[in-house]
Amino acid sequence: KQEVTQIPAALSVPEGENLVLNCSFTDSAIYNLQWFRQDPGKGLTSLLLIQSSQREQTSGRLNASLDKSSGRSTLYIAASQPGDSATYLCAINAGKSTFGDGTTLTVKP
Amino acid sequence: EAGVAQSPRYKIIEKRQSVAFWCNPISGHATLYWYQQILGQGPKLLIQFQNNGVVDDSQLPKDRFSAERLKGVDSTLKIQPAKLEDSAVYLCASSFPFQLTGELFFGEGSRLTVL
Repeated sequence: KQEVTQIPAALSVPEGENLVLNCSFTDSAIYNLQWFRQDPGKGLTSLLLIQSSQREQTSGRLNASLDKSSGRSTLYIAASQPGDSATYLCAINAGKSTFGDGTTLTVKP
Repeated sequence: EAGVAQSPRYKIIEKRQSVAFWCNPISGHATLYWYQQILGQGPKLLIQFQNNGVVDDSQLPKDRFSAERLKGVDSTLKIQPAKLEDSAVYLCASSFPFQLTGELFFGEGSRLTVL
C-alpha cells in the first residue's frame, strides 16, 4: 500500500525567501507525481506533473524534482511572495492516486 | 477549455438525511474520481471510474455511499443516510488514464456539513 508523507506540515517564511517542500513515498512503481496548490475553501490546482521517467519539471518560480529510487520529491519555490500562501499537496499516481496531507505555507510580507 | 464542474458547492443536512452531488468532467476524460477531503487532511479516494465502469471502490463505505456514472460522462455521488463524520469536502476529478501521462484536474468541490 502506497504511503505519502509531507514534511513539514506547516511552514512560515518571510517574503523573498527560497524554500523547499518535501514529499516522500513508499512504493516507487508509479506513473507520475503531481504537485497541487489548494487555497482555503477551494479545489486543487495542478502546479507541476512529473512523469516517472523524468527527473524534474519547471514552471516559472517553481521547480519540482523526482527521485524514485529514494522515494522522494521536492517542490522548490524561488523568491516567495505572499500570494504563494496556500496548502501544497503531492499526489502519487499509480494504479490510483495517493495524496499526502499537505504543507501549509505562509509567506509573510 | 471548461474545467470539472461540481454542484452544489455547499450543502447542510441533518444526520440520517440523504444528499447527492453531481460532477461533469472535462470533455474527453475517460477517468473520473470522487475524493473525500476532511479538514486538515489530503484527499482520500472513494471511487474511480474508467468510462462507466468502476476501477476501484475499495474505500467507498458501500452501506451508505453509492456512485454512478451513466453513459461514461456525468457522475453522481449519493450518501444515505448521512452521519456526522461524513462532514467533508467531496472533490471530483478527471483525467486521461495515468498510463497515458494522465494529469488530474479537480473541480471546486462540494462542502457537506452534517448536523
